[in-house]
Amino acid sequence: AQSVAQPEDQVNVAEGNPLTVKCTYSVSGNPYLFWYVQYPNRGLQFLLKYITGDNLVKGSYGFEAEFNKSQTSFHLKKPSALVSDSALYFCAVRDPLTGGSYIPTFGRGTSLIVHP
Amino acid sequence: NAGVTQTPKFRVLKTGQSMTLLCAQDMNHEYMYWYRQDPGMGLRLIHYSVGEGTTAKGEVPDGYNVSRLKKQNFLLGLESAAPSQTSVYFCASRSSPGTGDEQYFGPGTRLTVT
Repeated sequence: AQSVAQPEDQVNVAEGNPLTVKCTYSVSGNPYLFWYVQYPNRGLQFLLKYITGDNLVKGSYGFEAEFNKSQTSFHLKKPSALVSDSALYFCAVRDPLTGGSYIPTFGRGTSLIVHP
Repeated sequence: NAGVTQTPKFRVLKTGQSMTLLCAQDMNHEYMYWYRQDPGMGLRLIHYSVGEGTTAKGEVPDGYNVSRLKKQNFLLGLESAAPSQTSVYFCASRSSPGTGDEQYFGPGTRLTVT
């Protein structure tokens, strides 16, 4: 079985400061990991993913995430937050060994609020 | 490309009424999904399809039916709407299996059942 946890419902950060949104996962084998962002009244948009290779993954809008196998984590980071980064962020995991349905499991989401 | 589109964007139903939500994608994707999003619950999978003519149940399928008669369309039906089905519904698609491809989401349908 696969699962993902986002331990923080909300993260507050001042503009210009670094931000981190946490995600931990559980899968049987090697995971496929994804981050999505949802702006108000919009659908989810893909930010970045880890499939294999370099543990540090760079994505859209200056975001990056670090895959840590020993800690089973995939935290989303950005060196300098912008007010426009305020949104709902979802982590998702998919176990490539699970059947043919390829259904990812989504976390409950973390609301990021960047204060001016 | 329009990506993933959903019709309608908003709808208000009375308890017991029926409706169909339409999802269309122009990316020739095999897999399509219907989710509902409720506050504090994240995304929950209702039904999904791994190809034209196939459908399968997700985490919360009760009260919903789906059809995938054409590869580009995935319909979600509510036969007898209940207030518990008040939610925001998202459709998503992704390409063929065996890859690490991400999902593409539609803009959502906000449904209120009174």
